[in-house]
Amino acid sequence: EAQVTQNPRYLITVTGKKLTVTCSQNMNHEYMSWYRQDPGLGLRQIYYSMNVEVTDKGDVPEGYKVSRKEKRNFPLILESPSPNQTSLYFCASGNRFRDISSGANVLTFGAGSRLTVL
Amino acid sequence: AQKITQTQPGMFVQEKEAVTLDCTYDTSDQSYGLFWYKQPSSGEMIFLIYQGSYDEQNATEGRYSLNFQKARKSANLVISASQLGDSAMYFCAMSDNYGQNFVFGPGTRLSVLP
Repeated sequence: EAQVTQNPRYLITVTGKKLTVTCSQNMNHEYMSWYRQDPGLGLRQIYYSMNVEVTDKGDVPEGYKVSRKEKRNFPLILESPSPNQTSLYFCASGNRFRDISSGANVLTFGAGSRLTVL
Repeated sequence: AQKITQTQPGMFVQEKEAVTLDCTYDTSDQSYGLFWYKQPSSGEMIFLIYQGSYDEQNATEGRYSLNFQKARKSANLVISASQLGDSAMYFCAMSDNYGQNFVFGPGTRLSVLP
């Protein structure tokens, strides 16, 4: 089954304790990205990656790191989590919509990871 | 910077009726993509429909259609013949010229009444 798998699904941690949220896709997609969802704000893009070793900042990258050493994996790293990073996090991978020239990446999302930082 | 506005925090529609969810966008890009995603109460995000900025025809996918008015910078989602299972949060989103940078709106919660 084609899917994006995130772990952990739920995590409660304390301020300053480094954590990693893993993301893996089995669709051979080149594009992957991370989002956080907060009430009233929709989803905001944290980081994205167009391919192995190619990453770039989204709109809210502060406090986060990512790496793309393999095509299928795109972990999100919180080096020193703070309470304002309490949120629902989504990983997504993307493939071109029908016509490869359209430039559109249609996103397949993981199930989400709910993170609470105390 | 790109921006998506969804002015309807919540909407109600009677089962079997059609409903329009509003979305306006702002961008300086000449080429961009517009999307709608559905988020049921279970939390997953589901792709519904895509419209390219150069597409002259409105996109349709089954009961979903996207009413694209480029001059007005609007990309409204029309759901025909609403079903109870359509009750969910709906997000309008856009991508940049390269399909890499995504911006989402705050969402509209649709409730379908029996």
